[in-house]
Amino acid sequence: EADIYQTPRYLVIGTGKKITLECSQTMGHDKMYWYQQDPGMELHLIHYSYGVNSTEKGDLSSESTVSRIRTEHFPLTLESARPSHTSQYLCASSIGTGGVTEAFFGQGTRLTVV
Amino acid sequence: AQKITQTQPGMFVQEKEAVTLDCTYDTSDPSYGLFWYKQPSSGEMIFLIYQGSYDQQNATEGRYSLNFQKARKSANLVISASQLGDSAMYFCAMRGSEGTSGTYKYIFGTGTRLKVLA
Repeated sequence: EADIYQTPRYLVIGTGKKITLECSQTMGHDKMYWYQQDPGMELHLIHYSYGVNSTEKGDLSSESTVSRIRTEHFPLTLESARPSHTSQYLCASSIGTGGVTEAFFGQGTRLTVV
Repeated sequence: AQKITQTQPGMFVQEKEAVTLDCTYDTSDPSYGLFWYKQPSSGEMIFLIYQGSYDQQNATEGRYSLNFQKARKSANLVISASQLGDSAMYFCAMRGSEGTSGTYKYIFGTGTRLKVLA
């Protein structure tokens, strides 16, 4: 059972609001990731981190920002939400090296901006 | 550039029959990993099976097996004895070798929606 948690599971928010999506893992993984996924579509990497104080932008441009102050915590922030940000956001982590290195996923946050 | 291609947007299979979901990949990394994930309608991503690029044998996990053909760059998922609970989206993914930043990136295909018929 993977120990990676996302909150909230569902969020409906008005345009212009600032939001933070939380992601925490208790596995001590160095690598963490944020993916954006529209319903029934592929996952797009928007941010990743390879350790504390190290973050990178992913393959899909995103107006969101991330931080990695603690190993276990990788929050994603939208300063001013817009309807185009409506999507599912999936957080993942991986151990990084050696053997089977699957990414463990949280349950996702379904964001709706109205 | 790394790329995963899944050419089957949707598949139907009769309960108790086997089904193959196709996946081809492209990478110049000598070391990589291939994964299959299941995503039910609830949205979570469930890891199913892994194949390393240097593994000589095809991976198996219960009813799941991965048909790995390295020369053809394909990593098809075979589900035997399909069950109604297998109805879901299935994603093929690839992990490249560590770059200069020391981080793997997981690249996903567009997915295949599988419907198991009673």
